[in-house]
Amino acid sequence: ETGVTQTPRHLVMGMTNKKSLKCEQHLGHNAMYWYKQSAKKPLELMFVYNFKEQTENNSVPSRFSPECPNSSHLFLHLHTLQPEDSALYLCASSQERARASYEQYFGPGTRLTVT
Amino acid sequence: AQKVTQAQTEISVVEKEDVTLDCVYETRDTTYYLFWYKQPPSGELVFLIRRNSFDEQNEISGRYSWNFQKSTSSFNFTITASQVVDSAVYFCALSEARSNTDKLIFGTGTRLQVFP
Repeated sequence: ETGVTQTPRHLVMGMTNKKSLKCEQHLGHNAMYWYKQSAKKPLELMFVYNFKEQTENNSVPSRFSPECPNSSHLFLHLHTLQPEDSALYLCASSQERARASYEQYFGPGTRLTVT
Repeated sequence: AQKVTQAQTEISVVEKEDVTLDCVYETRDTTYYLFWYKQPPSGELVFLIRRNSFDEQNEISGRYSWNFQKSTSSFNFTITASQVVDSAVYFCALSEARSNTDKLIFGTGTRLQVFP
């Protein structure tokens, strides 16, 4: 496999469920990101990990919990979500996050619907 | 404040027409980077180009070209002889060197529909 992969591609969950989104990158990068993409809004950066350490939490509610066990894998654990959390969740990676010039490579996203 | 504006929400063209997608940015930094990404219906954002603030040369890659003008804070993207496969949402983004991070500030995107 190449690039950035995400599973599942689609997820429907109730507000009381617990689920996890998975992201894996095969690019040898050291930085990984979670973004939320809602309709009619710019992409919102949620979390950043650099060399497995969380370097940014963009005021994300605690019902979203990231985990980065190594530089290739990133998880987003979800619990007691709200309907307004329904969105496309995108994972991305880059060489490392210290440089503004590095481009980010994105996965196909997980389309999440909270009922 | 940093900001990226893509005023065109949606553009429709017929195949073989040329189309320009506008991007206007705001930054107080003197060193910054501009990006264009394409998001096809499959969902993933595909990196198209990166331009740094010191390089105002226009760039051409096949049917794609980019016009960077610091005087107007614009980084416009032109597709020549558009094709149906160009149908996607296109995002312009900015990152600032002084933040010493690669935080991307995205515009709201322009949806391009190319009809046969």
